[in-house]
Amino acid sequence: AQKVTQAQTEISVVEKEDVTLDCVYETRDTTYYLFWYKQPPSGELVFLIRRNSFDEQNEISGRYSWNFQKSTSSFNFTITASQVVDSAVYFCALSSGSARQLTFGSGTQLTVLP
Amino acid sequence: DTEVTQTPKHLVMGMTNKKSLKCEQHMGHRAMYWYKQKAKKPPELMFVYSYEKLSINESVPSRFSPECPNSSLLNLHLHALQPEDSALYLCASSLKETGGGANQPQHFGDGTRLSIL
Repeated sequence: AQKVTQAQTEISVVEKEDVTLDCVYETRDTTYYLFWYKQPPSGELVFLIRRNSFDEQNEISGRYSWNFQKSTSSFNFTITASQVVDSAVYFCALSSGSARQLTFGSGTQLTVLP
Repeated sequence: DTEVTQTPKHLVMGMTNKKSLKCEQHMGHRAMYWYKQKAKKPPELMFVYSYEKLSINESVPSRFSPECPNSSLLNLHLHALQPEDSALYLCASSLKETGGGANQPQHFGDGTRLSIL
């Protein structure tokens, strides 16, 4: 069975603070893919990043960065200098061979206060 | 703007009504999905179409009936819904079916907010 855990249900920060969203996953497969999605109040899930299990390089895209560590089964997401527009629910998700569908974490509600 | 278009954005219907949700994408994706999302919860997969054939039905009640007329369109026909069916219904598409270790990201529409009276 596979599982994604986002232990932080809600996080609130003040604008310009850095914030890290945690994601821990479980799978018995050696090949798998991890995703992050952002869901603003409008409802659409916006695809942010995909990472495969063989690539542990960290990735940076503007104010966003991702830290993938197989040793701890974690794929954490950091927003630097947060902005009010970053307020949304963020979902981590896993795709691996033993499951026919994408497995989502429970999501983290991020609120950035002005 | 999202590349997956869903209509209508909002729908209010009585329990005896029949209505349909529509989803359209023109990205050449061959897999399309319906999800149901309740407030403060992650999306729950309902159906998957792969190459216009139903690939996954997650034991969804028969009052929800999916249809994939062609590779760009996906419908969800609704009949005799219950109040607990009120939710955000999301459509998504991907180049190929995600899951089973596939790496294709799914692209989502804005969703239809459905309220059952």
